Amino acid sequence: DAKTTQPPSMDCAEGRAANLPCNHSTISGNEYVYWYRQIHSQGPQYIIHGLKNNETNEMASLIITEDRKSSTLILPHATLRDTAVYYCIVRLIQGAQKLVFGQGTRLTINP
Amino acid sequence: GAGVSQSPRYKVAKRGQDVALRCDPISGHVSLFWYQQALGQGPEFLTYFQNEAQLDKSGLPSDRFFAERPEGSVSTLKIQRTQQEDSAVYLCASSRTRMNSNQPQHFGDGTRLSIL
Repeated sequence: DAKTTQPPSMDCAEGRAANLPCNHSTISGNEYVYWYRQIHSQGPQYIIHGLKNNETNEMASLIITEDRKSSTLILPHATLRDTAVYYCIVRLIQGAQKLVFGQGTRLTINP
Repeated sequence: GAGVSQSPRYKVAKRGQDVALRCDPISGHVSLFWYQQALGQGPEFLTYFQNEAQLDKSGLPSDRFFAERPEGSVSTLKIQRTQQEDSAVYLCASSRTRMNSNQPQHFGDGTRLSIL
């Protein structure tokens, strides 16, 4: 079973920051938080991952709370092409490599 | 650079037929994964290869499903005696290193399999 909880859907206006929350209250110390997104008819696309520090790359920022029980993915200036299902996944640093996907958040960017 | 390539993009088969789905991972990627995605659901893990060794096949739903990666690069997922419940998108992913790594998985766009 997925170890994360996400809202099923969200809307955001084009040009605004999209903030996608994820709850992972049972996360252990040796688990990373990963974010992927899936645009219609495409495979999942890796966005970002982190362990305990906040992370930023060219696509997004990842903010992880100090207790690591939740995180937020931030798309700073959302565009229509960011409309997708966003998956928050926790994965062990070592051992099993498989990703366990939940239902994700369907993010719709409105013009 | 080239990403993960899957073929065919779409496959339609009659119930009872055998099908073979191909995955070309990113060159040099050691790890390869297969996932199954039903309509409206997130992908579900099927099996994992490290080079040519199949280290985890715990997600294969039945003995009709078989995967191989004989030379440690291209992989084939075979489904024998297909059933309607096998209709789904089959996704392949690869990552650069072996287990004990935080390297992300990179996905292909999948093969959409429809069983009539």
